Order: sequence, then structure tokens, then C-alpha cells
Amino acid sequence: QVQLQQWGAGLLKPSETLSLTCAVYGESFSGFYWSWIRQPPGKGLEWIGEINHSGSTNFNPSLKSRVTISVDASKNQFSLKLSSVTAADTAVYYCARVFCSTLSCSNMDVWGKGTTVTVSS
Amino acid sequence: QSVLTQPPSVSAAPGQKVTISCSGSSSNIGNNYVSWYQQLPGTAPKLLIYDNNKRPSGIPGRFSGSKSGTSATLDITGLQTGDEADYYCGTWDNSLSAGVFGGGTKLTVL
Repeated sequence: QVQLQQWGAGLLKPSETLSLTCAVYGESFSGFYWSWIRQPPGKGLEWIGEINHSGSTNFNPSLKSRVTISVDASKNQFSLKLSSVTAADTAVYYCARVFCSTLSCSNMDVWGKGTTVTVSS
Repeated sequence: QSVLTQPPSVSAAPGQKVTISCSGSSSNIGNNYVSWYQQLPGTAPKLLIYDNNKRPSGIPGRFSGSKSGTSATLDITGLQTGDEADYYCGTWDNSLSAGVFGGGTKLTVL
């Protein structure tokens, strides 16, 4: 069964760049979109963006200017970079697989465990 | 401020039924399919419902979803204490060209 394992730096200073990677195990990397979602402490989910195996991307307009999502299909990995972080970027960051049914393509059916990222001076 | 609107909290007794609403607009729910997620405390979200009313393998029939116009609902029957969690609706927004979520609803089983 497919599993997502994510990692990256958990403590950043303001203005630094957040960098996280998610590895996909047990499933073909191609044929899916792969997404990033975050959740600030005590708050709801926020969709950050997604990428497919060939590098096609979609981004949250509110974060688009600071977000880079890339893919390394040879390693079955995809990555998130968020530049110029502030305290408002403190959150648990999740990677997830986007499951496409015959009707829609925005369902996240497999999730990583989450990485807590804290931005503090 | 979330694009989709959910009530902050709902509650009901064990064995009872609860309904969680999710309100949007024509750019999201009105023209796309809705998913629902369950987030137990301290864990990652889990897909409960997709395509408005379909359940992934392993999700009990106590969970059901529906959609009408620009709103969607999640029904949970036969409530159990293990159902206490946060529930989120999600869909695609055509105007934003992005995924969107509701603010989440905390379910308390009294």
C-alpha cells in the first residue's frame, strides 16, 4: 500500500526558506497529482499547491509568489519550498496524494504524517 | 477566512445522527464535486467522502454525503465516541484555480 514519508527543517528564522520533501513508497508516482497542505496551530487546513509527475503545477494564489513545488520522478519524491517565511507560516505541513475518480480530481486519499514547522527569531 | 463555510462545532449523543454543513458558491461547490475529511486529534486528515457521496474502501456506511446547489452536507449516524474529531469539506475552486477547504467543524459526542 502507498505510504508518504516527509521530512525537512522544523525550525526557521524569519526571512528564511522552508524546504520539505515527501517520498512516495509502494505506488507508481506517475498518474497522480501530489499536493501540499498546511495547518496553523489550532486552525483549519490550507491548500498550498500540487504537482504531477511531469511537473505541471497549481498553486494557492495567496502563496503563489513564494511557493515552489518540484518533482524528482526518478526518486518518487516531490518537494516544497516556501520563501521569506514569517511567523504566519508556522504550521504543520502535510504532503498528500491526489486521487482522481471518474468524476473529479481533487480528493486527497493518502497523507503523510505531517511536519511541524516553527518560524521564530 | 475560509472559502467554504462550516459551523465551528456540532454535538450529539452516542447513537444519534449529526449533520455537518458546508456552504460555498458557484465557483466551487456549485460546479465541482465535494470531499469530506476526518481529522482525529493529533493525526493527519483522512478521506471520508469523495465525489459528494462516495466512500473510499473501509469507510463505514454510517458516513454519507450529499450536495445541493452550492452547499454540501455530511451525515453521521449511529454516533460513537470514536467519531469525535474535526471534519473538513473540500473541493476545487474554478475562479482561484486552486483547492479550497472549509474552516472545519469540531464534533463532540456527548
